[in-house]
Amino acid sequence: QVQLVQSGAEVRKPGSSVKVSCKASGGTFSSYAFSWVRQAPGQGLEWMGGIIPLVEKTNYAQKFQDRVTITADESATTAYMELTSLRSDDTAVYYCATRHGSDSYYLLVSWGQGTLVTVSS
Amino acid sequence: EIVMAQSPATLSVSPGGRATLSCRASQSVSRNLAWYQQKPGQAPRLLISGASTRATGFPARFSGSGSGTEFTLTISSLQSEDFAVYYCQQYNNWPPTFGQGTKLEIK
Repeated sequence: QVQLVQSGAEVRKPGSSVKVSCKASGGTFSSYAFSWVRQAPGQGLEWMGGIIPLVEKTNYAQKFQDRVTITADESATTAYMELTSLRSDDTAVYYCATRHGSDSYYLLVSWGQGTLVTVSS
Repeated sequence: EIVMAQSPATLSVSPGGRATLSCRASQSVSRNLAWYQQKPGQAPRLLISGASTRATGFPARFSGSGSGTEFTLTISSLQSEDFAVYYCQQYNNWPPTFGQGTKLEIK
């Protein structure tokens, strides 16, 4: 059973950056394919980007291409998502999620508990 | 990117009743379609993958069908714990995309 545990809530000022972590356990790190999905208050789910550690490949949704960096540290079994140039409309809950085994990279079987990022002056 | 459209936005059904949720893709996604259930204050939870395969822990009253561009999630004999928001997601093409969700509420 793959478990993902995310870092705690963050408050940031506009223009700053935030880095959220997602620690994985219960599976083989090389089999993971982490995605980051965000959900603004009262809104739906939005895929931001992902990383496939086995092949060291990242890809990002066009909307976030210039502001997001997703990394993974195998020794720490942790994935990270950093978002820069924060705006008030980046206020959202940020989720990490991953596939299991050899599932499609973007089939999100296990999810973290979410991290609330609040952007406010 | 593929646009996923869900209908209706809100569905009101009585406990014990049947709910039918629809999801349409702007182009074929084969059977690479997932449904997620999200309850207030919780992370989404995978419900259906491959258009019709139930995830671990979900009872048989949940069923998915469809292929190509038209998909349906059916929940029979609704229980109180089934009232939630349901999202469809295609994972056939990059980038993966979600529908806007259907809120299933108690009538």
